[in-house]
Amino acid sequence: LAKTTQPISMDSYEGQEVNITCSHNNIATNDYITWYQQFPSQGPRFIIQGYKTKVTNEVASLFIPADRKSSTLSLPRVSLSDTAVYYCLVGDTGGFKTIFGAGTRLFVKA
Amino acid sequence: NAGVTQTPKFQVLKTGQSMTLQCAQDMNHEYMSWYRQDPGMGLRLIHYSVGAGITDQGEVPNGYNVSRSTTEDFPLRLLSAAPSQTSVYFCASSYSRRGTGELFFGEGSRLTVL
Repeated sequence: LAKTTQPISMDSYEGQEVNITCSHNNIATNDYITWYQQFPSQGPRFIIQGYKTKVTNEVASLFIPADRKSSTLSLPRVSLSDTAVYYCLVGDTGGFKTIFGAGTRLFVKA
Repeated sequence: NAGVTQTPKFQVLKTGQSMTLQCAQDMNHEYMSWYRQDPGMGLRLIHYSVGAGITDQGEVPNGYNVSRSTTEDFPLRLLSAAPSQTSVYFCASSYSRRGTGELFFGEGSRLTVL
């Protein structure tokens, strides 16, 4: 099964850009990379998904190098409400057994 | 539009009891899955389904059964509850049969086994 590795925790200040990197050495050729956000006592919420290069939406950007063995979630100008756990998700070879990593706990300070 | 609905939200069981966690979605999604999340940990996949009548095991299937008789419902059964099954359980669904499309999660069911 594909495994992901992320930093356990990160601290930031309001207004800063935050970059969280995920390593996924065994990603399958056809797999997408997806990031989720989770607040306490809630289910994860989809942030962004990509296959290669760069994807941007209204809340984040996702950077994926050519070898696809890692990806970086970029959150521009974070606020206190961005304090949460962020998960990087890739599928296994068959694409069905989706694996969540341990997640990165982001703490945004005033 | 309700999305993914889980019941019950809270449950306390005694060791050896059985119970079913209910999950229903109204988005006509083919893919559904169950995860458990232990304190301070990430989510671990228990079972998943890519359509009615089709289920398969995830990372941690022991002690759990599932069935998928309809597209909408995907119940998770605990056969004989053990304290190690104390956890928060999340059900999710996706329009993608691959499971790596956008997953929509329920609010969770918090289970305590004494």
